[in-house]
Amino acid sequence: AQSVSQHNHHVILSEAASLELGCNYSYGGTVNLFWYVQYPGQHLQLLLKYFSGDPLVKGIKGFEAEFIKSKFSFNLRKPSVQWSDTAEYFCAVRPPGTGGFKTIFGAGTRPFVKA
Amino acid sequence: DGGITQSPKYLFRKEGQNVTLSCEQNLNHDAMYWYRQDPGQGLRLIYYSQIVNDFQKGDIAEGYSVSREKKESFPLTVTSAQKNPTAFYLCASTPEGSYNEQFFGPGTRLTVL
Repeated sequence: AQSVSQHNHHVILSEAASLELGCNYSYGGTVNLFWYVQYPGQHLQLLLKYFSGDPLVKGIKGFEAEFIKSKFSFNLRKPSVQWSDTAEYFCAVRPPGTGGFKTIFGAGTRPFVKA
Repeated sequence: DGGITQSPKYLFRKEGQNVTLSCEQNLNHDAMYWYRQDPGQGLRLIYYSQIVNDFQKGDIAEGYSVSREKKESFPLTVTSAQKNPTAFYLCASTPEGSYNEQFFGPGTRLTVL
């Protein structure tokens, strides 16, 4: 079945360490890609998105993601994490042929940053 | 402030009862969505609506119903036919053009006893 896969559902790392969260999808054709973040007690919000152009996308709070079409991947990175980055991160894909209205979410990854 | 409101934040119901979750947006967005969030499963689409008086089933629509009588409102009814209704429910919307990110409400946690 077509899907969105996120790796490392639970990650523990120290402040100032680098973070990389994996995301792979299985849809062919032109896709729109998103990373959303859910901080404790807050709304789910957009971190960054990719529609076309430069495959390296920069988002809020120092996050970036790289779209690698040949690998069907859209991994999220941050060079130096802070305690406040403890949250749940969701990769999401808007596949072709859905009229732009259907978004498929991954299961989420919850990194825990130790102060 | 513009945004999406969901009420109530926490909801408790007895098994066998229908319950309606509210979702209101003042962002003037055309499309609205309902998702269910369960631990380890991400967000799964229940229903979505592109315009008023029109809606489509998502991936897990069984046991749920919706209406879209007004642009700003998209209530979700969890019926007694839903086998496992206890979950966190999220409402979202997108502006016209569809190729935009979704904006989410704060969610309603439903517990069926």
